[in-house]
Amino acid sequence: EAGVTQFPSHSVIEKGQTVTLRCDPISGHDNLYWYRRVMGKEIKFLLHFVKESKQDESGMPNNRFLAERTGGTYSTLKVQPAELEDSGVYFCASSHVQETQYFGPGTRLLVL
Amino acid sequence: QKEVEQNSGPLSVPEGAIASLNCTYSDRGSQSFFWYRQYSGKSPELIMSIYSNGDKEDGRFTAQLNKASQYVSLLIRDSQPSDSATYLCAVISRTSYDKVIFGPGTSLSVIP
Repeated sequence: EAGVTQFPSHSVIEKGQTVTLRCDPISGHDNLYWYRRVMGKEIKFLLHFVKESKQDESGMPNNRFLAERTGGTYSTLKVQPAELEDSGVYFCASSHVQETQYFGPGTRLLVL
Repeated sequence: QKEVEQNSGPLSVPEGAIASLNCTYSDRGSQSFFWYRQYSGKSPELIMSIYSNGDKEDGRFTAQLNKASQYVSLLIRDSQPSDSATYLCAVISRTSYDKVIFGPGTSLSVIP
């Protein structure tokens, strides 16, 4: 069984640019989560999809972040425009039931 | 007060010893507790989950939960150098749509 995959693995962009991160969950997992870890801090919840619906987006930092999950399969997280403080590792996780979450390898974002 | 707290370490133990990792949480309504292991530059990997008070054993790992004290721990018996990693305590909060809240992690180093 393929695990959670994320693309790209690394992204280096300039402040003000746009970046789109993609997550492909484990097949059949209705629950998809985005998390972020900025340097020196703990992993923080961003949002939770159940199929294509946003169940909880209380962790989204501001309106520069837009997450979508059209069709209830893969998800994208767009940052527009990117700021320096957006640098960090963005993890995606998926689960079949709302308990055991399996994490992807993460996307390392660096905003210069 | 942080929602999930852990000693950041580093915790150093000799090979073959027992490593004890501790975690406290603030939300009394939390019901699900997890330990993730994260190697440097890798994604978090679920190693234990526990939902009821008491001990849960899986191989060399034992998770202990005390809801009255809002305390969860992980014991690693016969520690191996390959156990050297950061261990993340994670809690599912029932106050907001079951989002996972992570602690900052404890760095464990097993000395050969």
